[in-house]
Amino acid sequence: DTGVSQDPRHKITKRGQNVTFRCDPISEHNRLYWYRQTLGQGPEFLTYFQNEAQLEKSRLLSDRFSAERPKGSFSTLEIQRTEQGDSAMYLCASSWDRNFQAFFGQGTRLTVV
Amino acid sequence: GENVEQHPSTLSVQEGDSAVIKCTYSDSASNYFPWYKQELGKRPQLIIDIRSNVGEKKDQRIAVTLNKTAKHFSLHITETQPEDSAVYFCAASDHGGSQGNLIFGKGTKLSVKP
Repeated sequence: DTGVSQDPRHKITKRGQNVTFRCDPISEHNRLYWYRQTLGQGPEFLTYFQNEAQLEKSRLLSDRFSAERPKGSFSTLEIQRTEQGDSAMYLCASSWDRNFQAFFGQGTRLTVV
Repeated sequence: GENVEQHPSTLSVQEGDSAVIKCTYSDSASNYFPWYKQELGKRPQLIIDIRSNVGEKKDQRIAVTLNKTAKHFSLHITETQPEDSAVYFCAASDHGGSQGNLIFGKGTKLSVKP
């Protein structure tokens, strides 16, 4: 499968714990996006990278959220001190900056108990 | 920033009928409008998109129309089939498309009855 892949697919964590999710984009894509999707809603934009540069992070939900893309390939999204309200599907997407078409991964479903 | 409204939230049609989903956007600088289909438990899949320099685009049974003056765009599915049942999301490019991130509508749950 040469599409966007995310790991893990599911994560259950206790409130207060830190979690980290990984996204591997389509190899030739230089843009990578993180979205959050809650039940019955459309994906909500969080942050994006062009190559290794994080060019927009003002939409990250709080300072507990951070993302990295150290070598311009895979990316990680970390949530520190998780809260129950963080329970959601976290989606990653990638695109080529000369073409708007964005392709999504299967997402990581986070449950905070 | 951009805001996208989508209607209806649910739509039920008989197999073979047409389905239309409508979206409006707020930022006149938006220039890219994709539609995604999401089946239960699966990733959003890009099914068709349109850019602001085009008024209509077709791909087999699916078509999208764009009215830039009114700032609305629509998805048309003809000859619906049970496998078309899913949640459909419209989206519009944010920041005039300079970043490539999308603002999504809340989705339309389409049910096609055999």
